[in-house]
Amino acid sequence: EAGVAQSPRYKIIEKRQSVAFWCNPISGHATLYWYQQILGQGPKLLIQFQNNGVVDDSQLPKDRFSAERLKGVDSTLKIQPAKLEDSAVYLCASSLVTDTQYFGPGTRLTVL
Amino acid sequence: AQSVTQPDIHITVSEGASLELRCNYSYGATPYLFWYVQSPGQGLQLLLKYFSGDTLVQGIKGFEAEFKRSQSSFNLRKPSVHWSDAAEYFCAVGPLSGGYNKLIFGAGTRLAVHP
Repeated sequence: EAGVAQSPRYKIIEKRQSVAFWCNPISGHATLYWYQQILGQGPKLLIQFQNNGVVDDSQLPKDRFSAERLKGVDSTLKIQPAKLEDSAVYLCASSLVTDTQYFGPGTRLTVL
Repeated sequence: AQSVTQPDIHITVSEGASLELRCNYSYGATPYLFWYVQSPGQGLQLLLKYFSGDTLVQGIKGFEAEFKRSQSSFNLRKPSVHWSDAAEYFCAVGPLSGGYNKLIFGAGTRLAVHP
């Protein structure tokens, strides 16, 4: 069974630029999550989707971050404009509705 | 407020020695508890989970964890560490109720293994 796929694996941008990350969850998983993991910290949930709908986006900085999950499968997380403090690893995870979360390899973002 | 504390930021053990990584949580109800491992440049891999029942949980790679409600702890153990166990370990707690599945992670414990 294929795992959670993410791309790109690495991204370096200048501050104030925009960036987008892509995630393809495990087939059949209704729930998709985006986490932000800052160096030295545990992952922090940014947004959770169940099928097409947003379940929890309470910790998403909505002035600069946006996410969508079209057709209930793939998802895209965007940052516009990026700030220095956005440098982190962005992890995507998926699960059956309420069950164990399986994580992708992450995208390491460096904002200069 | 819900939180997870991993008191040890770094731990170093010799190969073949036993290991215990500590995890304490603060949560208003019976939690669901998880341990994940993260190797450099990789995502998180689930080691084991506790939902209910037997408080001693067996996981992959020879790891086990014990849920102690009275101490609000879920410590991870391994009787004999291998060099390949060097990684970062995260404890997490989740509500898994009402259709929500939010996990709260600790800050992690980085494990180094000496030959």
